[in-house]
Amino acid sequence: AQSVTQPDIHITVSEGASLELRCNYSYGATPYLFWYVQSPGQGLQLLLKYFSGDTLVQGIKGFEAEFKRSQSSFNLRKPSVHWSDAAEYFCAVVLASGGSYIPTFGRGTSLIVHP
Amino acid sequence: DAGVTQSPTHLIKTRGQHVTLRCSPISGHKSVSWYQQVLGQGPQFIFQYYEKEERGRGNFPDRFSARQFPNYSSELNVNALLLGDSALYLCASSLPSGSGGELFFGEGSRLTVL
Repeated sequence: AQSVTQPDIHITVSEGASLELRCNYSYGATPYLFWYVQSPGQGLQLLLKYFSGDTLVQGIKGFEAEFKRSQSSFNLRKPSVHWSDAAEYFCAVVLASGGSYIPTFGRGTSLIVHP
Repeated sequence: DAGVTQSPTHLIKTRGQHVTLRCSPISGHKSVSWYQQVLGQGPQFIFQYYEKEERGRGNFPDRFSARQFPNYSSELNVNALLLGDSALYLCASSLPSGSGGELFFGEGSRLTVL
C-alpha cells in the first residue's frame, strides 16, 4: 500500500528565513504528487503538483518543490517565509486506478513563523 | 465563480444519532470526494463519486454512506454516530480523469459528537 511520510510535525522559522518541508512516499511507481496548505478553520488549497517532466515545479505564493526519484521525495521549499505562510502543509500522493484518482495524505507539518 | 460549498459548517450530535452533510461542487466538476480529518491528522479518504457512481471507497465502516445527485452535488451520511466520528469532514470536487486528481476543497463541516 502506498504511504506518505512527513517526518516533521512542527517547524519553526523566522520571518524572512528559508523553508524546507520534507515529504517521502512509498509506492512502486512514480505517483502524482501534490502539496496542499490549510489555514486554521479552512479547507485545503493546492500549492503545486508534479505529474511528469521537469523535476522542479513552481507553485503559488512563491513555493517550489523538487521531485527526487532516487530518494522518493518531494520536498517543498520557499526562499523567504512570510508571516502569512503560517499554516498546516500536507503532502499527498495519488494513485490512478481505472480512471479514478484516490489520494493519500501525509499527517501534515505545522509551520510556525516568528517575527 | 463559486467554489466548493459545504453545509452545515458546524453541527453537534449525540452518540447514536444520524448526520447528513452536503456538498456542492464547482460548476463543471463532475467528481466529488469526501474526507475525514481528525484533529492533528491529514485528511483520510472516505468516498469518491463520478457521474453518480461510486469510484472509490476508503477504509470506513458501513455506517458511512454517500451518494451523488444528477446535478453532481453530494451527500455524506453517517449512522449510529460514535464519539470517534468527531472530525472535520471535507468535500472536494475535481474535473474528470485527465486532471491527475487535482482537488478543490470546501471549508468543511465540523462535526462534534457528544
